[in-house]
Amino acid sequence: DGGITQSPKYLFRKEGQNVTLSCEQNLNHDAMYWYRQDPGQGLRLIYYSQIVNDFQKGDIAEGYSVSREKKESFPLTVTSAQKNPTAFYLCASSIRGTFEAFFGQGTRLTVV
Amino acid sequence: DAKTTQPNSMESNEEEPVHLPCNHSTISGTDYIHWYRQLPSQGPEYVIHGLTSNVNNRMASLAIAEDRKSSTLILHRATLRDAAVYYCILRDVNFGNEKLTFGTGTRLTIIP
Repeated sequence: DGGITQSPKYLFRKEGQNVTLSCEQNLNHDAMYWYRQDPGQGLRLIYYSQIVNDFQKGDIAEGYSVSREKKESFPLTVTSAQKNPTAFYLCASSIRGTFEAFFGQGTRLTVV
Repeated sequence: DAKTTQPNSMESNEEEPVHLPCNHSTISGTDYIHWYRQLPSQGPEYVIHGLTSNVNNRMASLAIAEDRKSSTLILHRATLRDAAVYYCILRDVNFGNEKLTFGTGTRLTIIP
């Protein structure tokens, strides 16, 4: 089945460690996005990519890094520079110039 | 980016229509109005979009004001499964800006 997959669903890390969240899609979509959601809050855009080997910062990019080496993959690294990394992270993809974005089920990251 | 304003929360009785408002007074001529909804612990899902004319699909209807500065998502007969956070988003899909920026949304509670 086509879709967008995030893994793992739950992730625990110690403070000071970098951690990479996976996002894979087999929908042949050009655009991919990473969002962060804190409890009771809306989604905030971290990074987005419209094409392979290119990406742009969103509203809260500090402390995060991404890569887009393949069309189907857009991993997000939460670095030790991110002061409050504990959150729900959502990945999405869409065809450029269209109206519907598809979201993964999210990764809940807890840093202790 | 053009901003949207939504009420933080709304309640509705089951099997009654629900009208979810959204104000977007700074909307530009090329901004499409999108609605997404997010069920608990899941990623958002697309509901509907429109530009100028009212739109209907199997999930909902979208009524757009003549001056486009506001819109209303209409759920014709709410069920318990419609309890979610509903986001109103503006998106320019003229290949100049593929950002998909969410606000805080409206939390809809359905009363049995």
